[in-house]
Amino acid sequence: AQSVTQLGSHVSVSEGALVLLRCNYSSSVPPYLFWYVQYPNQGLQLLLKYTSAATLVKGINGFEAEFKKSETSFHLTKPSAHMSDAAEYFCAVSLYNQGGKLIFGQGTELSVKP
Amino acid sequence: NAGVTQTPKFQVLKTGQSMTLQCAQDMNHEYMSWYRQDPGMGLRLIHYSVGAGITDQGEVPNGYNVSRSTTEDFPLRLLSAAPSQTSVYFCASRLGQGVDTQYFGPGTRLTVL
Repeated sequence: AQSVTQLGSHVSVSEGALVLLRCNYSSSVPPYLFWYVQYPNQGLQLLLKYTSAATLVKGINGFEAEFKKSETSFHLTKPSAHMSDAAEYFCAVSLYNQGGKLIFGQGTELSVKP
Repeated sequence: NAGVTQTPKFQVLKTGQSMTLQCAQDMNHEYMSWYRQDPGMGLRLIHYSVGAGITDQGEVPNGYNVSRSTTEDFPLRLLSAAPSQTSVYFCASRLGQGVDTQYFGPGTRLTVL
């Protein structure tokens, strides 16, 4: 069965610093991978997704993620953090022919210090 | 499009009470899911549906029932509420499998006393 592990439940960075949120997946077949963001008291919205078209995926708000099959990773990065990036971030995996299910990681809360 | 809508936004129940969380989508999506979100545990799948009349269990189905009589609606029923069901519940839908984006509702915050 597929699973997702997010390393670090809390990450704190200074404004302007690099953001790196880690995600590793476990799957016996190539998965589809997603990053979602949740702002306080809101639902989840899609940041970006890996579709196998390109290993480096660009998303909204300056975020990007790189799919590395050899490392079974899909880490999320942003070169320069902004205060408005403070939120919880979720990595998720989906397989074809699995009933449309998305399996989520535990989430990483990002804090941005001024 | 309203997207995915959920009602109510907030609910307080007493132990043993039953209730239904409503979910609807107007995007003609085949796939719908219910998740619960608890601190430190991410989103856990409760039940999901691959189309009208077809539902299946997710990771944490105990204490919850679902049905899917129409493409648009996917209600979640709590049969006899317990304090362990205090959580934030999210409904989601997607057009298809694999790479298709899953869209989330705004959530229902449930407290069971």
